Amino acid sequence: ELKVEQNPLFLSMQEGKNYTIYCNYSTTSDRLYWYRQDPGKSLESLFVLLSNGAVKQEGRLMASLDTKARLSTLHITAAVHDLSATYFCAVFQGAQKLVFGQGTRLTINP
Amino acid sequence: DAGVIQSPRHEVTEMGQEVTLRCKPISGHNSLFWYRQTMMRGLELLIYFNNNVPIDDSGMPEDRFSAKMPNASFSTLKIQPSEPRDSAVYFCASRAGFMNTEAFFGQGTRLTVV
Repeated sequence: ELKVEQNPLFLSMQEGKNYTIYCNYSTTSDRLYWYRQDPGKSLESLFVLLSNGAVKQEGRLMASLDTKARLSTLHITAAVHDLSATYFCAVFQGAQKLVFGQGTRLTINP
Repeated sequence: DAGVIQSPRHEVTEMGQEVTLRCKPISGHNSLFWYRQTMMRGLELLIYFNNNVPIDDSGMPEDRFSAKMPNASFSTLKIQPSEPRDSAVYFCASRAGFMNTEAFFGQGTRLTVV
């Protein structure tokens, strides 16, 4: 059974700082997805990582995938308050079953 | 495209009542997922369909839960009878059938069972 684990689960940081969220998964997969969820809202797709070494960047967020280590990272550069949200990674078990991590609740303080 | 559409957005019901949640996937998508989100358990996959056929319902918590997808544009998740511990946000998501595409989520139904 696929397990997807995120670290940390809670993160409070100051504006302007850098930090990284980690996502480990337990079985072989070459596809990983990052989502963002604002309080009371739905999940919004951020990044689709499709191969080993894939790197995607959008504004102050950068995601990468190391399939050999079964690890993905979401790096936040010079954080701003608007990035406060819960971030989820998700991995497919087999071709169709999408399994999510526990989520990382990110709070960015002025 | 209007995205994945769920109804109702909010539902408050009494324990023991039947509850039906509805989902319209994005047109052309052939995979559909039902998730439940709670503070304690996070996002749990309940069931998913491919081409309207249930593929894996191992996440459905009990026989009180059932899901159907009678056609490519409509799915329901039913709870009968409902219990207070079923209170959660229920999300529906759909995905095109290609290997590398992500799933797109609806706005969710917030269910409260009192």
